[in-house]
Amino acid sequence: QKEVEQDPGPLSVPEGAIVSLNCTYSNSAFQYFMWYRQYSRKGPELLMYTYSSGNKEDGRFTAQVDKSSKYISLFIRDSQPSDSATYLCAMSGPGTASKLTFGTGTRLQVTL
Amino acid sequence: GAGVSQTPSNKVTEKGKYVELRCDPISGHTALYWYRQSLGQGPEFLIYFQGTGAADDSGLPNDRFFAVRPEGSVSTLKIQRTERGDSAVYLCASSLSGGMGEETQYFGPGTRLLVL
Repeated sequence: QKEVEQDPGPLSVPEGAIVSLNCTYSNSAFQYFMWYRQYSRKGPELLMYTYSSGNKEDGRFTAQVDKSSKYISLFIRDSQPSDSATYLCAMSGPGTASKLTFGTGTRLQVTL
Repeated sequence: GAGVSQTPSNKVTEKGKYVELRCDPISGHTALYWYRQSLGQGPEFLIYFQGTGAADDSGLPNDRFFAVRPEGSVSTLKIQRTERGDSAVYLCASSLSGGMGEETQYFGPGTRLLVL
């Protein structure tokens, strides 16, 4: 079993929809949680970062971490065609803070 | 300013050959990371440099893989006796000082390696 599980999709939604992306993990030592966006044939770029449990909001994006359930989420409001990309969750823990463990990535398609 | 750059962008080689992949990190970043991304998968950690030294090489799959960063800036990932299973996108990332979970890792576009 992988340390981080993520549904690969693809997920197709109409423009303007609210998108919910999720990851589960098994390593209780993880305490840094990130969401990266990766466009086709590009490197991942950091979208959101959260330390430990809680919520964080940045514009149309909200990241949630529930450490008790080992579950993290990314919500995208008012989705746009330009949001079409692969979304990767990533996490790390004390002692291995430099080593990110990624999920498989969820491919999102926002249609007009 | 310039981001992380990687060369070549694509590399096709034959099974058994030797390849070198280069990474130029963001100027001033002391931490440098290599990841490998297979088709349909997330990136997998290979090695992390703090300055010139490899601080964590636990992700290197076997002794055919080796990486160097002799002057603490540019890094080269070297793969000997390539196998078809080595085909993947090799991503490089850098961060300001490394070792802290909240520090952003900035990724390059990757080198797409195809072993025939």
